[in-house]
Amino acid sequence: EAEVAQSPRYKITEKSQAVAFWCDPISGHATLYWYRQILGQGPELLVQFQDESVVDDSQLPKDRFSAERLKGVDSTLKIQPAELGDSAMYLCASSLDSGGRDGYTFGSGTRLTVV
Amino acid sequence: AQSVSQHNHHVILSEAASLELGCNYSYGGTVNLFWYVQYPGQHLQLLLKYFSGDPLVKGIKGFEAEFIKSKFSFNLRKPSVQWSDTAEYFCAVNPNDYKLSFGAGTTVTVRA
Repeated sequence: EAEVAQSPRYKITEKSQAVAFWCDPISGHATLYWYRQILGQGPELLVQFQDESVVDDSQLPKDRFSAERLKGVDSTLKIQPAELGDSAMYLCASSLDSGGRDGYTFGSGTRLTVV
Repeated sequence: AQSVSQHNHHVILSEAASLELGCNYSYGGTVNLFWYVQYPGQHLQLLLKYFSGDPLVKGIKGFEAEFIKSKFSFNLRKPSVQWSDTAEYFCAVNPNDYKLSFGAGTTVTVRA
């Protein structure tokens, strides 16, 4: 079964440092999503790509977060500088179509701890 | 604000008991509805989905959910749970093919 690959699995960083997460979606999936899941809460969408274009980044804290999907395949999410409140699980997902009607396929996530 | 509400934060039950998890949403118009499950240490997996047609949908592992439009609800059910159903369950709504929004999740613990 095809999977969404994410790395690293775990990341511990000091506040004010930069951190980056990588995601490789399922081959052929044009739509890619980054979600943040704080402990005890459901995932919250940070950014949605359609191919290489951002279609929704309304919940992305743009003063410190950035995301790119240069070739419309894999994607990187960056935080600079990291803050204590950024500690969370960062999930990447992909779907075949922009509406996600077949459901999203999620990766295993990157658990970020900011100390 | 538009939202997805899951009524139970943590449910504890014994094997063979019946399970029902509540989910309500506040979006108007056309909605696509999903239940996802996250087993300990694993990634989110799709349990079932509803787009249109028969409001009673069947998913994997014996789960089913019923869409009641008048109540803005999409409750998840399983007649007889197993220890392996211990997991966190998330209801999600995709209004008008827009972004997928999740509820806060319900942790289900099944005692052997």
